[in-house]
Formats: sequence, structure tokens, C-alpha cells
Amino acid sequence: GQQVMQIPQYQHVQEGEDFTTYCNSSTTLSNIQWYKQRPGGHPVFLIQLVKSGEVKKQKRLTFQFGEAKKNSSLHITATQTTDVGTYFCAGIIQGAQKLVFGQGTRLTINP
Amino acid sequence: KAGVTQTPRYLIKTRGQQVTLSCSPISGHRSVSWYQQTPGQGLQFLFEYFSETQRNKGNFPGRFSGRQFSNSRSEMNVSTLELGDSALYLCASSLAGRTGTGSYEQYFGPGTRLTVT
Repeated sequence: GQQVMQIPQYQHVQEGEDFTTYCNSSTTLSNIQWYKQRPGGHPVFLIQLVKSGEVKKQKRLTFQFGEAKKNSSLHITATQTTDVGTYFCAGIIQGAQKLVFGQGTRLTINP
Repeated sequence: KAGVTQTPRYLIKTRGQQVTLSCSPISGHRSVSWYQQTPGQGLQFLFEYFSETQRNKGNFPGRFSGRQFSNSRSEMNVSTLELGDSALYLCASSLAGRTGTGSYEQYFGPGTRLTVT
């Protein structure tokens, strides 16, 4: 079926190190969204990318949407303990009114 | 604007019982989606409702059902509960429109933590 794969499943870093999570789809996406879920909380929308090759930044977070609109990445520069949580990507399958979530990447940080 | 609300927040049920969870979306949002979240399985999509009609459905057994009312409030029902149904059930609303227009940005509620014993 239509799937959005996200890797890695877990990532542990030292505070100050960079972190990247990747999202790949088997089919073309109309757009890609990223969410963050803090421990004990619920997912919160971070950003949406729509255009092929689009890059957006939010402070230390950089989001990219691939040229073929089948993959995306979230990169965090110089992680801080406040970045702890699970990051989910979610894509709209092109031609379908359906949002598909990736499995999430759980980020833990050693202070 | 008030956020998405879910009731109850916590629930303990026994195997074989049934349960109904409620979700009130953000005012003006007509799309409501339900997700099951367990530690090892991430976010599993249950179904999406738009204007009282089920628009999308995930791969869950028929024991899981839902409905949406004319005011966009939604309920989810699980019958004949099993131990494996213990999870956090999240509801999310969005401005997604009838024909794919609008934003699919999901606004999640705090969830209902269901424990089946």
C-alpha cells in the first residue's frame, strides 16, 4: 500500500550534536508536513513543504522537500535538550485526499 | 480559538466491554481524524470523517467504528475490547476541504489514554 517510511526509528545524540531524520515515500507527494511530539504530549504541527526542492528554516531546524517530491528531511543543528521528542513526517499522496504518517524518529539527548 | 478537546482523558475498561470516545474539533474544522498510538507502532490511522461521512479508513478491524455529527463533533467506538487495544487514542481536526482543498495541517487533541485489563 501507500507508505511513508521514516528513518532512523531512534536517535540518541550528545547535546550540541546535529540530528537528521529522513522521510521517503513510494509515491509522489502533494506536500509533506512535519510534527513534533514531546514525551507525554500530542503531536504538534511544525511546518508544511509544498514545492519541489523547497527548503525552509525555523531557527536551528532545516526542512527539505526533494526534487521528485518523494522524500524529505529534517535537520536540527546543535541540538538542545528541548529538542527531545518524536518527530513525524506526514505526506499527502498525490491525487488522493489522504494524509499518511511516517513511523516517527524518537530523539533523545544526553546533556 | 479553543483547541481540539477529547473526553475522557483516561479510561480503564475490561476485556469484552465496549468504549466510546469523544472529540470536539476546532471551530470551523470539518475534517476529523482518529489515530491509535502505541509505544512500538507509532501513529496508526483509524479513519477520517468529513461532513458526517467517513472519507478514509485505515486497516483496523470492524470493532473500531466512528461517526461524525452535524456540528463536526466525532465519536469513536471500540466494541469487544481486547488487551491489545490499550493505547493512546488521538483525534485531530483540520481545514481539509471536500475535494482536497484546504489545509491538511492536523491539530491534535490531548488524547484519551485507554487501558484494557
